[in-house]
Amino acid sequence: DGGITQSPKYLFRKEGQNVTLSCEQNLNHDAMYWYRQDPGQGLRLIYYSQIVNDFQKGDIAEGYSVSREKKESFPLTVTSAQKNPTAFYLCASSPPQGLRLGYTFGSGTRLTVV
Amino acid sequence: AQSVTQLGSHVSVSEGALVLLRCNYSSSVPPYLFWYVQYPNQGLQLLLKYTSAATLVKGINGFEAEFKKSETSFHLTKPSAHMSDAAEYFCASQAGGYQKVTFGTGTKLQVIP
Repeated sequence: DGGITQSPKYLFRKEGQNVTLSCEQNLNHDAMYWYRQDPGQGLRLIYYSQIVNDFQKGDIAEGYSVSREKKESFPLTVTSAQKNPTAFYLCASSPPQGLRLGYTFGSGTRLTVV
Repeated sequence: AQSVTQLGSHVSVSEGALVLLRCNYSSSVPPYLFWYVQYPNQGLQLLLKYTSAATLVKGINGFEAEFKKSETSFHLTKPSAHMSDAAEYFCASQAGGYQKVTFGTGTKLQVIP
């Protein structure tokens, strides 16, 4: 079955470290997204990409970076510049027909700073 | 700019009672509207969507929602709550060809036996 795979499910980061969260999809979707979820704040968009080798900043891009070298993959790097990275991170994708069909989400990565 | 407001961060209902989760949107153009459900430590799953066809939309697990343009609302309902409905529910909006979806802050539904 097609879907989105996020790994790892849990990730621990030390102060000053960069960490990379993986997101892979086999749905043949063009657009992919990264959201951050904090309690009581809903989902906030970090980055999105509509095609390979192109991506745009979302509402809270500072301290994060992404790449889109393959259609199937959209990894997110949380850099040391992100001062409060502890959160639940969700990757999503949408089909070529556009957003009217809704997103497909991965199961998330919970990042904790130790 | 579009925005989504969910009234009530926590809602409690008794098993078998009506579920009503409120969502109001703000958009200068007719939006697409969505309800998603999230179980603990999982991603979001699409419950239903409004895309300018019928104003009463039926989704999975017995949920439905009605688009009311005059009230800018898209409330989620279910006639009879089950214990398995306990989760967090998110309303979302996308409008004007903008390639982003705006989410509300979520409503946690508790079902009391």
